[in-house]
Amino acid sequence: NAGVTQTPKFQVLKTGQSMTLQCAQDMNHNSMYWYRQDPGMGLRLIYYSASEGTTDKGEVPNGYNVSRLNKREFSLRLESAAPSQTSVYFCASSAYPGQGNEKLFFGSGTQLSVL
Amino acid sequence: KNQVEQSPQSLIILEGKNCTLQCNYTVSPFSNLRWYKQDTGRGPVSLTIMTFSENTKSNGRYTATLDADTKQSSLHITASQLSDSASYICVAGGYQKVTFGTGTKLQVIP
Repeated sequence: NAGVTQTPKFQVLKTGQSMTLQCAQDMNHNSMYWYRQDPGMGLRLIYYSASEGTTDKGEVPNGYNVSRLNKREFSLRLESAAPSQTSVYFCASSAYPGQGNEKLFFGSGTQLSVL
Repeated sequence: KNQVEQSPQSLIILEGKNCTLQCNYTVSPFSNLRWYKQDTGRGPVSLTIMTFSENTKSNGRYTATLDADTKQSSLHITASQLSDSASYICVAGGYQKVTFGTGTKLQVIP
């Protein structure tokens, strides 16, 4: 029972480099999310995908793009990394589209540093 | 603006003791209140979910309460164990939106 799997666990980038964070879930969930967690702040939603084939912006989408590759996989891309994107990134999934009452299942996170 | 405030920011207790963590929220519309446990280096894990009409929900040694009138929730941990050392995050859910608190960092010492 893997649940939500994120790769990589750690990454260091130089300003301007690009990278893609991968996320896969094996619970047959419809909805998937990307959050970032910064010191002294609550988790903030970057993008979400209510169902396969749809994506929507969250609270802090600038500088990011996403792809819902299929029902299992949801990737987050940084096209030109900036130091402000240094953070811990979490992927999450839920059985149904977010109505504000969905139970979220989180991956273990990716710690990203942009120098 | 939707907000969730938690107190205290951090707490140290002796193993076997009880503790209570507090959460005040300003979320509109409001539909549910959840508590998550986040171990260091891991993602949050759901402990309890309460709808606006529920007053209390238990999960083993964890008991959450909700007062929707005063917009307050608490998480009570009974007979703490070393494995309870973690951050506890309060999350207020509304229509198509959830707001996360910054968490209370709990350390249980022998």
